[in-house]
Order: sequence, then C-alpha cells, then structure tokens
Amino acid sequence: AQSVTQLDSHVSVSEGTPVLLRCNYSSSYSPSLFWYVQHPNKGLQLLLKYTSAATLVKGINGFEAEFKKSETSFHLTKPSAHMSDAAEYFCVVSDLSSASKIIFGSGTRLSIRP
Amino acid sequence: GAVVSQHPSWVICKSGTSVKIECRSLDFQATTMFWYRQFPKQSLMLMATSNEGSKATYEQGVEKDKFLINHASLTLSTLTVTSAHPEDSSFYICSARDRSRGVGNQPQHFGDGTRLSIL
Repeated sequence: AQSVTQLDSHVSVSEGTPVLLRCNYSSSYSPSLFWYVQHPNKGLQLLLKYTSAATLVKGINGFEAEFKKSETSFHLTKPSAHMSDAAEYFCVVSDLSSASKIIFGSGTRLSIRP
Repeated sequence: GAVVSQHPSWVICKSGTSVKIECRSLDFQATTMFWYRQFPKQSLMLMATSNEGSKATYEQGVEKDKFLINHASLTLSTLTVTSAHPEDSSFYICSARDRSRGVGNQPQHFGDGTRLSIL
C-alpha cells in the first residue's frame, strides 16, 4: 500500500527567503514521486518528478526536491520565494502496484509575505 | 508539453439538471483518464478511472448512476453529473497519461478543472 503525508497544511514565508514544503511517503515498491502546484480555481501543474534516476530533482520555476529513501522523504525546496509562488502544493506518489493510480497528499498552502 | 483541455470551466445550473464535462488530450493519446473531485481547501479525491472502450472503474462510495463516465476515444472522456443537486457542487478535475510513454512512472497531465455550482 502506498500513502503520502504532507506535514504542514500552511507555510508562510517572506519574499526572497527559502521555501521548504515537507513530504513523507510510504510505498511497497520503488515509488515514483511528484510535486504539483495548483493556483486558485485552476488545475494542477507538474513541478517535478522523481522516477528512480537522480535523487536530486530539479523542476520548473526554481523548485527542486531530494528523494531520501532512508528518511522516506521528498521535500520541496526553493532558495528564494517569489510572490507568484503563492499557491497550493501537492505531493503525489505512485508505484507499479497501483495500476496507474496516484495518491495525493493533503496539500500545503504556501503564502508569501511582501 | 502534454495538454489536457477540460470544458466547460464553469457551470451554474438549476437543481435536477444533468451536466456534461469534457476532458480531451490535445496532443497525445490517453488509454486511461482519471476524474477527481475537490472540495474547497481540500485535496483531490479520485472518483473514477476512465478506460477507453470499456466501463469506468469507480472508487468506493462514488455512485455510478450519478456520475456517468464515457471514454469513447483515445482523446476524449466525459463525465455527466445526472440530476445534479446542490451537494454535487464542487470542483471537478480530469487527468490523463500519455499511453505512448507507458504507465507506472509517468506523470498525469491535468485539465484546468470545472467549477460546478448547482442552485
């Protein structure tokens, strides 16, 4: 069985400061992990994905995430937050046992203070 | 990149009306599409998996007769909310995977969602 936990429902940072959104997963097989961003009343946009290649994954808009198997984590980071980063972020896991299904985390709302 | 188009983006209708939502993969073929429901400030909840040429697979607790899914081609799936009532008001999102890239570790591509409001 697979599951994903986003540890923070809301994160608030000042513009120009680092962003850290935390995600822990559970998977019976080698997982694929994704981060998606959702702006208000919009669908989801893929930020980055991990699929058993390099453990440090670089995505769009300056975001990156590191797969740490020993910690079962896949935290999302960005060195310097921008106002346009304010949105809802979802950590997602899938594995070969899931028959194409993916499991969403509960989401983290990122707020950026001027 | 892969694009999924969802239409309409916003629907307001009277109670008892049936509403159809379309999900199209514009530049790739999708054997499987997914339909999600999202309540305000909550995560996405998978409603059903739409399989081209066969019946959809519904998640536990989702009424098949209420939410009719048709996947008639490799680029189009439709969700019809039959006899909609105010409690059906929600944000509905579809997604699709590019079949040419296999399953398992490929990301899903999401539509922009449909805001359904039942009066």
